[in-house]
Order: sequence, then structure tokens, then C-alpha cells
Amino acid sequence: QKEVEQDPGPLSVPEGAIVSLNCTYSNSAFQYFMWYRQYSRKGPELLMYTYSSGNKEDGRFTAQVDKSSKYISLFIRDSQPSDSATYLCAMSAPSGYSTLTFGKGTMLLVSP
Amino acid sequence: GAGVSQSPSNKVTEKGKDVELRCDPISGHTALYWYRQSLGQGLEFLIYFQGNSAPDKSGLPSDRFSAERTGGSVSTLTIQRTQQEDSAVYLCASSPSAGGINYGYTFGSGTRLTVV
Repeated sequence: QKEVEQDPGPLSVPEGAIVSLNCTYSNSAFQYFMWYRQYSRKGPELLMYTYSSGNKEDGRFTAQVDKSSKYISLFIRDSQPSDSATYLCAMSAPSGYSTLTFGKGTMLLVSP
Repeated sequence: GAGVSQSPSNKVTEKGKDVELRCDPISGHTALYWYRQSLGQGLEFLIYFQGNSAPDKSGLPSDRFSAERTGGSVSTLTIQRTQQEDSAVYLCASSPSAGGINYGYTFGSGTRLTVV
């Protein structure tokens, strides 16, 4: 079992839809959770990070962590064509890990 | 600098040639990472530098791959005797410290390597 699982998609939605992107993980030591957005031919850019369980909101984006289920989500409200990109989840542990562990990414396509 | 800078942005090379990829991290960032991203494969960790410590080379796929970091700043990833399977996007990232990864890395735009 891979440490982090993420559906590669593509996920196609119409403009204005609510998008839900998800990752599951197996290592209970992970406590820091990040979402990156990667546009075509660009490097990943950090979108949000959260610590431990709970929700964090930033504009149209909400990151949710459920450590009991080892499940994290990114919600995008009022999706826009400019949100079309690949979204990667990443996570780390307070100690013993010197690098982030990434999911493979989900491709999102928002049509006008 | 303002961000992580990588050069060249694109590189086409003939099979068997050596290539050097350069990364200039954010000023003051002590941790530097190289990843490889192939189509459908996600991000593959290659090597990690932290300050003056010995690098973590555990992700390098073969002895044809090596990397240096001079003066705790600029890093060069070298691939010798390139093979077609080396074709990928090579991404560099930096963070303020080893502990800083808990708040995420900053990535460069990558070098797209094509071996023909």
C-alpha cells in the first residue's frame, strides 16, 4: 500500500461547481498536510497547509483533515476555468521525515 | 532571489550525453530538494541537502545521477550518459530549514529534459 493515495482523474466540472479533491494516507505519524496546485509546464505552488485535524478556509478554498480516517480533502467553491490544474496533496511528520510525501496529483478541468 | 530559479527551462540532449541542471534556491533557505516528475508518475524524490550536512541521496535512481551544492546555495544535478528513460521534468525546491518542510516547500518551474 502506498503511503499516500490520490485519484489521478481527470475530474471535469462546469464553471461554478463545488469541487472536492481527496487523499488518503496510511502513516498515522503525518501531522502536517499541504495542497499544491500545478499548472501545465509550471512547478507546484503551495496552496494551503493545515496542522493536525480540522478545517482551514482561504477564500474559495477549504482544506479539511480527518486524522481518525486518515483522509484529507480540498474543497473549491464557485470553481473557475482558471482553477484547471493538477492538485497534489503532501504531508509530513514532526520528526523522522526530512522530505514531504506527495500524492500523484488529481487533474481538474473546469469548463466555462 | 524572490523565488527558486532553475536553468535551463528546457533541455534536449542526445542519448549518451551528460547534462547539468542548475538550481538557485531562495536566499537564506538552508534545505534544498531535487525531484523528478514523469508523466503519470507523480513526484519522485531524488536528493536532499540540509546546510552543511551530508546529503540524503537515497532517491537517486542510479550512479549516473549526482548532485552538488556549493557554498550552501546553488545546486547542480548531473546526469551522465543520459538514457531515454531519464526524460522528465526535474524540479528543485527549497525551504527555510529541515523543520520548515512542515509548512511546505517552494518549487522552481523545473527543467524539462528530453533525451532523443
